[in-house]
Amino acid sequence: DTEVTQTPKHLVMGMTNKKSLKCEQHMGHRAMYWYKQKAKKPPELMFVYSYEKLSINESVPSRFSPECPNSSLLNLHLHALQPEDSALYLCASSQVWARRGETQYFGPGTRLLVL
Amino acid sequence: GDSVTQMEGPVTLSEEAFLTINCTYTATGYPSLFWYVQYPGEGLQLLLKATKADDKGSNKGFEATYRKETTSFHLEKGSVQVSDSAVYFCALRGETSGSRLTFGEGTQLTVNP
Repeated sequence: DTEVTQTPKHLVMGMTNKKSLKCEQHMGHRAMYWYKQKAKKPPELMFVYSYEKLSINESVPSRFSPECPNSSLLNLHLHALQPEDSALYLCASSQVWARRGETQYFGPGTRLLVL
Repeated sequence: GDSVTQMEGPVTLSEEAFLTINCTYTATGYPSLFWYVQYPGEGLQLLLKATKADDKGSNKGFEATYRKETTSFHLEKGSVQVSDSAVYFCALRGETSGSRLTFGEGTQLTVNP
C-alpha cells in the first residue's frame, strides 16, 4: 500500500480565515513533505520533515505553518493567506529523507482557493 | 545546480500510436531519475524510476532507460490509450540535494480515440 491521504479535497477561504490541511500515511515513512503546485506548473517544495523534525523550509512565508504531530500525520496551518496562494497543495512521504534512490509518494492534494 | 529539461507540449496522439517524451538532465554525479504522471484533478503518481546508469524502469507499458552518456531519461510507450491522457513530469534527485526533487516543466499528453 503506497497511499497518502489528504483532507479536505477542496477548500475555499477568505484572507482573514484560519484553516488547516491534513495529510496522513500509514506506510511507516519517516519523511514527509509539503509542495505547492500552480496550474500547468511542476510542484514546488515548501517543507520537509524528517523523523517529525522540520529539516527544510524553502523560505516559505510565515502565513504557512507546518506541524508534524507524529510520524503518520502532517498538517499545514494557514492564516491570512493571499489570493496568489491559491493552488493545489500536495503532501508526499518517503521511507527516509536523504537516501539514494528514495521514492516520494504523493497524495491527491487539496485544491485551495483564497478569496 | 540540478536541472531537468522536458520536451515541450502539448502532445496529441491517436490511440495505439507510439509515444516518446524526451527528458534530459544536468546534475553532478549519479542522480536518481523518475517519471511521475498526473491525471486531471489528481496528485502525482510514480510511474517508474531508475537509480543507476543503463537501468531501465518500466510500468504499465511505459519504459525509460537511464543514459548517462547522453544525460537522458526518455519516456516511451509502444501503443498509447485514451486513458494515458495526463501530464507527465520527469524528475531527478541529485546525490547532493538531500531529498529535493527537481522537476521538469511537465508534458501534457492527449490521446484521441
